[in-house]
Amino acid sequence: DIQMTQSPSSLSASVGDRVTITCRASQGISNSLAWYQQKPGKAPKLLLYAASILESGVPSRFSGSGSGTDYILTIGSLQPEDFATYYCQQYYSTPQTFGQGTKVEIK
Amino acid sequence: EVQLVESGGGLVQPGRSLRLSCAASGFPFEDYAMHWIRQIPGKGLQWVAAISRNSAGIEYVDSVKGRFTISRDNDNKSLYLQMNNLKADDTGLYYCAKDSYYDTSGYPDFWGQGTQVTVSS
Repeated sequence: DIQMTQSPSSLSASVGDRVTITCRASQGISNSLAWYQQKPGKAPKLLLYAASILESGVPSRFSGSGSGTDYILTIGSLQPEDFATYYCQQYYSTPQTFGQGTKVEIK
Repeated sequence: EVQLVESGGGLVQPGRSLRLSCAASGFPFEDYAMHWIRQIPGKGLQWVAAISRNSAGIEYVDSVKGRFTISRDNDNKSLYLQMNNLKADDTGLYYCAKDSYYDTSGYPDFWGQGTQVTVSS
């Protein structure tokens, strides 16, 4: 199985800050990576797929980059509604696997 | 509007069975693969199983192989997960999710709200 390691596991930030979350795969996944946002009591919501393609309706302050084994989610200017937990997921091979999550909290 | 509504969860003793259902609407169900994904407190998200649009392709995580069976009814726009010989480690919130593609090589692009499964004596 491909292991997905996210860092940090949590971070504190202020509204307007630029935030980056890193996801590392245990082997190359050819950009077959999705990012999800989950708020308490809600289902995960797709933000990006193919590492850098923004899902329809997702604000442009969210962006993704990376290749091979290393990927980054960037929130350009953190908004109040962005405080949530973020997960990466590889769909390059079965079983699909998720990172452990990064909780973004208000500083 | 895409909707996925899970049902069938509950409290069950170890070794017993449970059948989860997911009712889909708002999209051509028969054109997309579907997934079951569970969320376990303290352990995050775990992909459980997936099925292609015509049921020709089915995959499972190793920990449920031989115990769980994923199936679908395209006429009734429904997805199922038959769970047998349940273990305490199967406890979690089970999500039904729509795939972005017709086979299981895509990514989940929409999730239901989940149904809770608790395995305990």
